[in-house]
Amino acid sequence: DVKVTQSSRYLVKRTGEKVFLECVQDMDHENMFWYRQDPGLGLRLIYFSYDVKMKEKGDIPEGYSVSREKKERFSLILESASTNQTSMYLCASSSTRDSSPLYKAVTLWGQGWREQYFGPGTRLTVT
Amino acid sequence: GQSLEQPSEVTAVEGAIVQINCTYQTSGFYGLSWYQQHDGGAPTFLSYNGLDGLEETGRFSSFLSRSDSYGYLLLQELQMKDSASYFCAVTPFTGGGNKLTFGTGTQLKVEL
Repeated sequence: DVKVTQSSRYLVKRTGEKVFLECVQDMDHENMFWYRQDPGLGLRLIYFSYDVKMKEKGDIPEGYSVSREKKERFSLILESASTNQTSMYLCASSSTRDSSPLYKAVTLWGQGWREQYFGPGTRLTVT
Repeated sequence: GQSLEQPSEVTAVEGAIVQINCTYQTSGFYGLSWYQQHDGGAPTFLSYNGLDGLEETGRFSSFLSRSDSYGYLLLQELQMKDSASYFCAVTPFTGGGNKLTFGTGTQLKVEL
C-alpha cells in the first residue's frame, strides 16, 4: 500500500514564525503536491514537484515555498506565518509511470489518469 | 484556468440513489476524477472519466459530458458509511498531465 505521511496532525504557530511542514511517501513516486483545504473552497494547489529539486507553482503559491531535496520528501515552508494561512494542509503523491495500461491503450486521454495518494493532513493554526 | 462547481451539501436516505453534480469551466483537460473524503480523513480516489460516458465501479458510477461541461457521481444503495465529502477534479493539459484542479466539494449526509 502507498503510504504518505505528514510530520504533524496539529500545529499551532505564532504570526511571523517560520513554519516547516514535512511530507514523506514510500512508493518512489515522481510527483508530489501540497494543497490547502478550506471550507467551501475545496482543495487548492499550492506547489507541486515532478522530480527532485524541481518545483512548479500551483494556484495559490503566495506566502509559501517548497523544497524537494530527496525523491521521497517534499517540504512546505511558510516563511513568515500569517493568520490567513490557518488551514488544513494536505500532501499528496502520484506516479508518472503508473497510469492504467488499459486507459493508455484505449485513449490518449488516459494519460491524464494519475491517482493521487494523500496524507492525513496537518491542521495548522496561526495565532 | 479551471473552475469546478459542486453543490455544497446533499442529503439522502439509506438505500436511496443520489447524484452529485460537477459543472466546470476549463480551458482543456484530460479527464475528470472523483475523490471521497471522510471527516478527519485523507481524500481517496474513486473514479476517472477520460472519455464521455458512464464508468461504473460497484455501487458508484461517474459520468462525463464534455459538450455540456458537466459530470456527475452517482451513488446507489446508499449506506451510512457513504456520508463523506466528495470532490470532482480535472487533470488540466498544463502540468504535464500530473496535477489536479479540484472542485469546491459536496458534503453528503446519509440518514436513516
